[in-house]
Amino acid sequence: QVQLQESGPGLVKPSQTLSLTCSVSGGSISSGGYYWSWIRQHPGKGLEWIGYIYYSGSTYYNPSLQSRVTISVDKSKNQFSLKATSVTAADTAVYYCARAVESAFDIWGQGTMVTVSS
Amino acid sequence: QSALTQPRSVSGSPGQSVTISCTGTSSDVGGYNYLSWYQQHPGKAPKLMIYDVFKRPSGVPDRFSASKSGNTASLTISGLQAEDEADYYCCSYAGTHTFNYVFGTGTKVTVL
Repeated sequence: QVQLQESGPGLVKPSQTLSLTCSVSGGSISSGGYYWSWIRQHPGKGLEWIGYIYYSGSTYYNPSLQSRVTISVDKSKNQFSLKATSVTAADTAVYYCARAVESAFDIWGQGTMVTVSS
Repeated sequence: QSALTQPRSVSGSPGQSVTISCTGTSSDVGGYNYLSWYQQHPGKAPKLMIYDVFKRPSGVPDRFSASKSGNTASLTISGLQAEDEADYYCCSYAGTHTFNYVFGTGTKVTVL
């Protein structure tokens, strides 16, 4: 079955760029009908949708984060990525990648903790 | 876009039923049937329990049921079991003015 796995630095300095990758196994990221998503959870808090990308490259972002985030896809590696610029302590969170259909997020990665600190 | 409102906690004894509410607005919960529910155990990733308001993915017990009326959605767990103790989050598409998804504030379900 399809599995997702996040990877990337666990510590990022303030004002720098956060970069995470999600590797998809057990299925092709190019198969239609799915959106490849990033969602985060601040420590002890609820979930926040960051955005998602279709295999064609179309992207959709949370309006509150749109100016700082970019999601891209590498079909050759069956991966998709998140970049967030100018990070602050408020970006400290567990970051999840997830597969989405239009109405729900049906498969999630295990999550990766990212701390923004000098 | 504000988070959807859920009770902070609900509790019940094994075998009982509990219901979690999820209140939004006509721009999210009331405006779309893209309403889903997630279960999250401590230190784990969320798991999809309900989608399209009331549909259960394969493998989710039929003890979990859900509905929506107006701007409020509800998740009911019947025949509560120890393994149901977890945090639960609702999520709605909220794309009236711009593309977006909004999650609920989360509810801790405690099995007494």
